[in-house]
Amino acid sequence: DGGITQSPKYLFRKEGQNVTLSCEQNLNHDAMYWYRQDPGQGLRLIYYSQIVNDFQKGDIAEGYSVSREKKESFPLTVTSAQKNPTAFYLCASSIDWGTSGSTDTQYFGPGTRLTVL
Amino acid sequence: AQKVTQAQTEISVVEKEDVTLDCVYETRDTTYYLFWYKQPPSGELVFLIRRNSFDEQNEISGRYSWNFQKSTSSFNFTITASQVVDSAVYFCALTPPGRALTFGSGTRLQVQP
Repeated sequence: DGGITQSPKYLFRKEGQNVTLSCEQNLNHDAMYWYRQDPGQGLRLIYYSQIVNDFQKGDIAEGYSVSREKKESFPLTVTSAQKNPTAFYLCASSIDWGTSGSTDTQYFGPGTRLTVL
Repeated sequence: AQKVTQAQTEISVVEKEDVTLDCVYETRDTTYYLFWYKQPPSGELVFLIRRNSFDEQNEISGRYSWNFQKSTSSFNFTITASQVVDSAVYFCALTPPGRALTFGSGTRLQVQP
C-alpha cells in the first residue's frame, strides 16, 4: 500500500532529552512537511523540504531540526531547546512543491503524539 | 500575508440534519488553492477537496458539497443528512502555488445519534 508512515504513535520523553520522530513515504513525492498541532488548534508548519538534501524553516522551527538524506524519509528531531514540545506531530508529503501550480495537495501520516514528562 | 478563519469552533447536530461549516480566507494572491481536510479522532488528516481560485463551480460528492464564492472570500462545506461517522474536526486551508499551507483553527463537528 502507498502511504505515509510515522513512528512511534506515542512517545514519551524526559525533559532535557532529544527525541527523533520518524516519517517515511512510498508515494515517490518530492516534497515533505512537518506540522505541530496543539489541542484545539490548527496546524503550524515546523519545517519543509522541497527536494532531497534541501529543507527550509517553517513558522515555528526553533528547537527542532530535520534532515532529508533520502527522498522517502524526513525525520524530525525535537531538541532540548524546544521549550514546550508536548504536542501532536503530523508529517505530510506532496508530489512536488507546487511550482507548477497543479500538484499542491498534501497527504498526511497518522501522527505521533509526544509527551514530555 | 494569508489567513484562514473558521469562526465556528464547535457544532453539534443530530443525525440526518444538514450542517454547513464556514471558511473565510484572506490572500493578496490572484492564484491560490483552497482545501478541506477531515481529522477523525484517530488524528490523521484526510484530504477531502482541492479547489483552485479560477474554478468557482460548486462541487458535490455524495453527501458532501462545497460552495466557493470568490466575491466573499468564502469556501463553505455542507454535509447533507449527517451521520455519526461524520464526527470529526474539519480544517480549511489555503496556499498559493509554491508556498506552504495556511490552516484555519478547525471546526469540531459532533453528530449525535
